[in-house]
Amino acid sequence: EDQVTQSPEALRLQEGESSSLNCSYTVSGLRGLFWYRQDPGKGPEFLFTLYSAGEEKEKERLKATLTKKESFLHITAPKPEDSATYLCAVQPPGNTGKLIFGQGTTLQVKP
Amino acid sequence: DVKVTQSSRYLVKRTGEKVFLECVQDMDHENMFWYRQDPGLGLRLIYFSYDVKMKEKGDIPEGYSVSREKKERFSLILESASTNQTSMYLCASSFRRIKRSEQYFGPGTRLTVT
Repeated sequence: EDQVTQSPEALRLQEGESSSLNCSYTVSGLRGLFWYRQDPGKGPEFLFTLYSAGEEKEKERLKATLTKKESFLHITAPKPEDSATYLCAVQPPGNTGKLIFGQGTTLQVKP
Repeated sequence: DVKVTQSSRYLVKRTGEKVFLECVQDMDHENMFWYRQDPGLGLRLIYFSYDVKMKEKGDIPEGYSVSREKKERFSLILESASTNQTSMYLCASSFRRIKRSEQYFGPGTRLTVT
């Protein structure tokens, strides 16, 4: 069964303390892997798309990387405004456009 | 910028009422999706549509129906609302014609059924 697992479930960091979030998947023939940020009470906001192993994407303090079995979202020198839930989703083979979402990692950055 | 809008941010309905949630996107996306999001359960797909008048069941379609009469608009209908349908409802859209296509989400509707 296709599955997406994110770890840890929750992460508390001090401002400036870099860390990584993990997204592992068991989908064969991955079409794409997507990262989203979700603030409380709001819809997920699209961050990155990764297509192939070895690919990297960056945006401000965030960098996403992809291997054949997992993706990492690296957060460098985080600030309190980076506090949010980060969702990972994968697009399996087929043409439906459906995504399989992980449960998310809730990040809290303390000043 | 892609924009997905939902008709209400907050909605309170009574048990047994018929509820309509509407979603509009302005990016000419073929695919549209309805999810519900509950603590500890993550995002669960209710229904999706890949073209006008086309619909497919997602993982939890029971108690819901959908309508897509125009490409830009996708409606979720709760025929007879129940308390277990209290949730955050999220609409999303994406391209079908592109092989790999991210979904863009609306702001969500927090529905409370009393």
